[in-house]
Amino acid sequence: RKEVEQDPGPFNVPEGATVAFNCTYSNSASQSFFWYRQDCRKEPKLLMSVYSSGNEDGRFTAQLNRASQYISLLIRDSKLSDSATYLCVVKTGANNLFFGTGTRLTVIP
Amino acid sequence: DTGVSQDPRHKITKRGQNVTFRCDPISEHNRLYWYRQTLGQGPEFLTYFQNEAQLEKSRLLSDRFSAERPKGSFSTLEIQRTEQGDSAMYLCASSLAGQSVHYEQYFGPGTRLTVT
Repeated sequence: RKEVEQDPGPFNVPEGATVAFNCTYSNSASQSFFWYRQDCRKEPKLLMSVYSSGNEDGRFTAQLNRASQYISLLIRDSKLSDSATYLCVVKTGANNLFFGTGTRLTVIP
Repeated sequence: DTGVSQDPRHKITKRGQNVTFRCDPISEHNRLYWYRQTLGQGPEFLTYFQNEAQLEKSRLLSDRFSAERPKGSFSTLEIQRTEQGDSAMYLCASSLAGQSVHYEQYFGPGTRLTVT
């Protein structure tokens, strides 16, 4: 079983739409959680950390449900520039990051 | 540019040849990581260093792979007797060390390896 599972998409949404991505993780001992963004043929970049209480950064809201081992990312008022692959990432142990396969988002004008 | 750099950016090699990649981390970061990413997948952890010590290796790191960080600064990843299945993007990342779970890993642009 994979450490992190997420729907690969693609998600094609119009500008201004709200879109939500979900992922699940298998290791209940996982300690920290992130969403990374990866543009085509570029390196992953941290979008936001995910805290137990949920957190928001502008149009982006991340939620964590430890009981269900479930992480979500909500993007409101989608922009063309949001088009990218969104990687769900879990840190288990001191250092290793486990990445999901990524969910591809295309925002359509 | 003070980010993570990797060299070369692209490498095409024939099956059976050896290749070596270099990563220069952000200068104040003492942790350095190597990941591999294939098409349609997320990055997969290969190994990491704290200073010059290699502290963890993934099962993905077969005996054809070796990584070094001799002076605790730049690192090299060598693949011997390359196979077509080694074709992938090899990503390097660096971070600060410490118990904070929120120390961000910063990724370099990657080296894209194609084995023909």
